[in-house]
Amino acid sequence: RKEVEQDPGPFNVPEGATVAFNCTYSNSASQSFFWYRQDCRKEPKLLMSVYSSGNEDGRFTAQLNRASQYISLLIRDSKLSDSATYLCVVNRNAGNNRKLIWGLGTSLAVNP
Amino acid sequence: NAGVTQTPKFRVLKTGQSMTLLCAQDMNHEYMYWYRQDPGMGLRLIHYSVGEGTTAKGEVPDGYNVSRLKKQNFLLGLESAAPSQTSVYFCASSYSIDGGLSTYNSPLHFGNGTRLTVT
Repeated sequence: RKEVEQDPGPFNVPEGATVAFNCTYSNSASQSFFWYRQDCRKEPKLLMSVYSSGNEDGRFTAQLNRASQYISLLIRDSKLSDSATYLCVVNRNAGNNRKLIWGLGTSLAVNP
Repeated sequence: NAGVTQTPKFRVLKTGQSMTLLCAQDMNHEYMYWYRQDPGMGLRLIHYSVGEGTTAKGEVPDGYNVSRLKKQNFLLGLESAAPSQTSVYFCASSYSIDGGLSTYNSPLHFGNGTRLTVT
């Protein structure tokens, strides 16, 4: 089992739809969490950091559930420009260092 | 602010040739990373650096070497390229956040990537 798992999709949704992705992590020592967005043939870009209390940025809401060890990303009123791959990233201590564990990503296609 | 700059953007090598990928950041970040990304494999860490003059191995270091002689630069070298090293390479940087009881990595800032093909 991978340490960070995501449903690869693709999620195909119409414009205006609400879509949600989950990401599960297996190491309870994980400390911080992020969602990145990656467009085709481009570099990953930070979408949101995920805080324990949950956080919202416009149409995007991220939540963390430590008890069940997952984070979620909710996109409301989907736009065509939201089409991308969404990467879940978990940061945890590994000995004296901190380690970033990347999910393989969830592909979203928003259709007209 | 340029952020993280990678050169070159594209390169084609023949098996056995060598090359160096350059990464420069102007954000005074302590940490720098080299990743490769392949279909179905996600981002895999090759090497990383926690400060000037230090480097460490990541998940897939074989066939690569790195150097961080200056804080702003992180170089990735391929001494004898192999077709298995055909990939997209991303450089990234981050800094440490003091969270009180512990420290955290800031989110990563990525370069635009280098598409390398080894024939």
